[in-house]
Amino acid sequence: DAGVIQSPRHEVTEMGQEVTLRCKPISGHDYLFWYRQTMMRGLELLIYFNNNVPIDDSGMPEDRFSAKMPNASFSTLKIQPSEPRDSAVYFCASSFFRQGAIDTQYFGPGTRLTVL
Amino acid sequence: SQKIEQNSEALNIQEGKTATLTCNYTNYSPAYLQWYRQDPGRGPVFLLLIRENEKEKRKERLKVTFDTTLKQSLFHITASQPADSATYLCALAGGSYIPTFGRGTSLIVHP
Repeated sequence: DAGVIQSPRHEVTEMGQEVTLRCKPISGHDYLFWYRQTMMRGLELLIYFNNNVPIDDSGMPEDRFSAKMPNASFSTLKIQPSEPRDSAVYFCASSFFRQGAIDTQYFGPGTRLTVL
Repeated sequence: SQKIEQNSEALNIQEGKTATLTCNYTNYSPAYLQWYRQDPGRGPVFLLLIRENEKEKRKERLKVTFDTTLKQSLFHITASQPADSATYLCALAGGSYIPTFGRGTSLIVHP
């Protein structure tokens, strides 16, 4: 398996523009997570899905952020409009349920977002 | 509020020595604790998981201890090598099994 795939790897955009980050989880995994990592706040969970259904989006910072998972092999995280404070590395991770608990998470390589 | 604390200062050690990293937590009843490794420009990679009823776990040169009374986990790398240099994150998961990550500690192993 190729692992979790994210695109683009780097994104530079101007304030006010729409940004869409993409993720392909590992085949067979039924959990998908979106994280944001900054020096100040570390790795923060934004939202996670189970079987394509959003379960907890309490980590989404505000309405400018939205996430979808139209099928088991694809998810998007959208920021509209983007702001400089959204600059961070965004990670997607996938996992599956095993032995009564969510198994370890497999992370993608991340998307480094810079909003000018 | 729930808090996970890892030393923000980098740990510098000499090759061959044992590196020990600490993860302290408050206001948690973790079902399990995990340790991840993160290299610059990459996503975290899972290393070890230890459950609340386990005291110690080993994997090759790695050892994790978990003291739910002290609310602390120690992560040891024996016979450390420069290739072990990375940031190490601990993550705690409670009843929901959704992990919350600490901010990580940077380890630098000098040849």
